[in-house]
Amino acid sequence: DGGITQSPKYLFRKEGQNVTLSCEQNLNHDAMYWYRQDPGQGLRLIYYSQIVNDFQKGDIAEGYSVSREKKESFPLTVTSAQKNPTAFYLCASSSRDEDDEQYFGPGTRLTVT
Amino acid sequence: GNSVTQMEGPVTLSEEAFLTINCTYTATGYPSLFWYVQYPGEGLQLLLKATKADDKGSNKGFEATYRKETTSFHLEKGSVQVSDSAVYFCALLNSGGYQKVTFGTGTKLQVIP
Repeated sequence: DGGITQSPKYLFRKEGQNVTLSCEQNLNHDAMYWYRQDPGQGLRLIYYSQIVNDFQKGDIAEGYSVSREKKESFPLTVTSAQKNPTAFYLCASSSRDEDDEQYFGPGTRLTVT
Repeated sequence: GNSVTQMEGPVTLSEEAFLTINCTYTATGYPSLFWYVQYPGEGLQLLLKATKADDKGSNKGFEATYRKETTSFHLEKGSVQVSDSAVYFCALLNSGGYQKVTFGTGTKLQVIP
């Protein structure tokens, strides 16, 4: 079955540590995205990538970094510079067709104490 | 810029009641419109979409009609079930450049037996 996987589902870290969230897709999609979701709020775009080896900052990129070395993979690193890292992180992908929707992974809940 | 406004929740209904969740948008051009559903602790799933004015998207008993004259895309279902309890997000996709999706803040629906 095609889809998007994110791992792990739950992640716990101490303050001051960097942490990397995994996102893999086998949908053959060119574009991939990372969103952050806080309780009772909508989704905010962190980074997106339209093609391998290229990515752009979204609305809240500060304190985060990404890489896109393979079409299937778009890992997100939450650095110690991110002031409020505890959140639910969602990865998505889409084709480059103009009307195509984004497909979401199951999410990773990150808790930093 | 683009924006999506949804009615605030939570919305609490009895099983078999009629559901309406209002969604209005602001966008330039001719966006595609989507409804996504998020069950607790999971990612978003596409519920339905409409890509041009007067289109009606439908899935699993849910419907929404793209109304350009009122810039609206209200979600409706004739008879809700307990299993419909979730958070519903309205979203728009404005093509031209990269595929940026703008999400509403979500409306939580709780259906009681």
